[in-house]
Amino acid sequence: AQKVTQAQTEISVVEKEDVTLDCVYETRDTTYYLFWYKQPPSGELVFLIRRNSFDEQNEISGRYSWNFQKSTSSFNFTITASQVVDSAVYFCALSPPALNQAGTALIFGKGTTLSVSS
Amino acid sequence: GAVVSQHPSRVICKSGTSVKIECRSLDFQATTMFWYRQFPKQSLMLMATSNEGSKATYEQGVEKDKFLINHASLTLSTLTVTSAHPEDSSFYICSARYGARGYGYTFGSGTRLTVV
Repeated sequence: AQKVTQAQTEISVVEKEDVTLDCVYETRDTTYYLFWYKQPPSGELVFLIRRNSFDEQNEISGRYSWNFQKSTSSFNFTITASQVVDSAVYFCALSPPALNQAGTALIFGKGTTLSVSS
Repeated sequence: GAVVSQHPSRVICKSGTSVKIECRSLDFQATTMFWYRQFPKQSLMLMATSNEGSKATYEQGVEKDKFLINHASLTLSTLTVTSAHPEDSSFYICSARYGARGYGYTFGSGTRLTVV
């Protein structure tokens, strides 16, 4: 079965602190994609990153970085020098390979609510 | 690119009435559309998968007769909540997959339904 676990339900930090959001996944597929989305209070889902299971290189985008470790089935997300605008719910999600399961929806974790105070 | 437009963003309706939510893919053809429901402080729960020109596939526990899904064209999918009750109040989000090898998922902006 495929599953995404975000063990941290809520995290509170003070501005400028670094924060890491954990994501652990389960899948039997050898090829899959992992995603992170941000959901601000407005409700709209904002795409942050997509990572192919064959690409284990870590990625950095501004204050955001992602650590993908296949050996531990984890895809953690770190925000450096957090800001109040980072306050949102963050979802990690898993999808099967594109070519042979065209109609399969994303599998979401339960989300982590991040609160950044000034 | 790959934009899905969802309307309405908010709707309040009386118990017993029906509400239709539309999702349109603006710049790509959405063969498959996914419908999610999200309760406050919870994750997105997949309700159904709709494929253009065929019947939707509903997840276990989702009432097909209450949540009618129509995907009549490659750019439009609709979700109709029939005979709505207060417990149907929720945030509904549509999603579509785009691309092939370098694919991704795009989401509508969501519809907040309140049944009074």
